Amino acid sequence: GQNIDQPTEMTATEGAIVQINCTYQTSGFNGLFWYQQHAGEAPTFLSYNVLDGLEEKGRFSSFLSRSKGYSYLLLKELQMKDSASYLCAVMDSNYQLIWGAGTKLIIKP
Amino acid sequence: GAVVSQHPSWVICKSGTSVKIECRSLDFQATTMFWYRQFPKQSLMLMATSNEGSKATYEQGVEKDKFLINHASLTLSTLTVTSAHPEDSSFYICSARDVTSESNEQFFGPGTRLTVL
Repeated sequence: GQNIDQPTEMTATEGAIVQINCTYQTSGFNGLFWYQQHAGEAPTFLSYNVLDGLEEKGRFSSFLSRSKGYSYLLLKELQMKDSASYLCAVMDSNYQLIWGAGTKLIIKP
Repeated sequence: GAVVSQHPSWVICKSGTSVKIECRSLDFQATTMFWYRQFPKQSLMLMATSNEGSKATYEQGVEKDKFLINHASLTLSTLTVTSAHPEDSSFYICSARDVTSESNEQFFGPGTRLTVL
């Protein structure tokens, strides 16, 4: 079956760095997405990886290893507004997104 | 970037009534739109995939006669919750894929919060 695994919850300190991991097993692969979702709001796009390696975008970076079925989202210089759920999703061979359950990130002062 | 709108943002209705939610891609054509449901503190659950000009594909466990989907144009898909009951209260989110984009990104609407009394 298809499966996306990510930690349920993480806590970090304002100004620090946090890495959220995601492992996946899917039927086919057409890219991996990271989305941010604040409570009561729809997800917003953060990053897309389809090739191995690191994609950097400001304070956020995303890494992919297709051979290991592994990705991580790296958040630097954490701010209180980064408190949210972070969703990992993989697009399978049918171009359908398979979603992880999300990682709730709590930022403490 | 691509924008997807949803209407209404929130709706409260009586049990037994029907509610229609619209999802529009504002600056791109979306041959495929997706409807999700999200209960509190849970992840997104795909309900159905809406294809322009053809019948929607429903996920297992989703009643197609209860959740009617129409995708009549390349920029509009509608979800109608028929005979809504309190257990249908949820956050409904649509997304659309820009087929011309190389990123395969899905753009999300802002969501519709449905409360059935």
